[in-house]
Amino acid sequence: DTAVSQTPKYLVTQMGNDKSIKCEQNLGHDTMYWYKQDSKKFLKIMFSYNNKELIINETVPNRFSPKSPDKAHLNLHINSLELGDSAVYFCASSQKFGGAAYGYTFGSGTRLTVV
Amino acid sequence: GQQVMQIPQYQHVQEGEDFTTYCNSSTTLSNIQWYKQRPGGHPVFLIQLVKSGEVKKQKRLTFQFGEAKKNSSLHITATQTTDVGTYFCAHGSGNQFYFGTGTSLTVIP
Repeated sequence: DTAVSQTPKYLVTQMGNDKSIKCEQNLGHDTMYWYKQDSKKFLKIMFSYNNKELIINETVPNRFSPKSPDKAHLNLHINSLELGDSAVYFCASSQKFGGAAYGYTFGSGTRLTVV
Repeated sequence: GQQVMQIPQYQHVQEGEDFTTYCNSSTTLSNIQWYKQRPGGHPVFLIQLVKSGEVKKQKRLTFQFGEAKKNSSLHITATQTTDVGTYFCAHGSGNQFYFGTGTSLTVIP
């Protein structure tokens, strides 16, 4: 059983399109996150959800919108994709915010390429 | 954000040599976590340190939290090709959680 699963693994799309990335965790964790990793491997927090409420929202464009139908799911929707959105997007979860003693569990990532 | 700096950014070592990466912050950290990301993979949690001066070991890996809780290090003894990857430190502050800039390790067989 995959603890944190995200789909799709690869996504190639044209500029201006709208796309979604899905994430599900079966760990019973309270908090889920979206991270963006650029070509230099910097990991930047985008969003986190704790019990279905957005608790942090870094300065990401409002073209990005997280949606959490329940505690086990946190999807990422992106409108009007731009070339600069090309990156690897990771979903993660933790027992509580900050990861406690067991850290974050990451999904395998979605490599988004905007052409 | 309170991004912590890691040095070096890249490190190439011969298999069997030791390797150390350092994580430095200008402010006191409440905790520090370490992650490993294999090439093409995702970050995997290794350990968390909380106490000043804390030292923890996992086989060939030694993790240390500075006395002032402003820095941390990860030391690998006698590297193996399986150690290849990027090592990140990370810390939480209030409702924020930040990853370090990472150190990419290459091990030459």
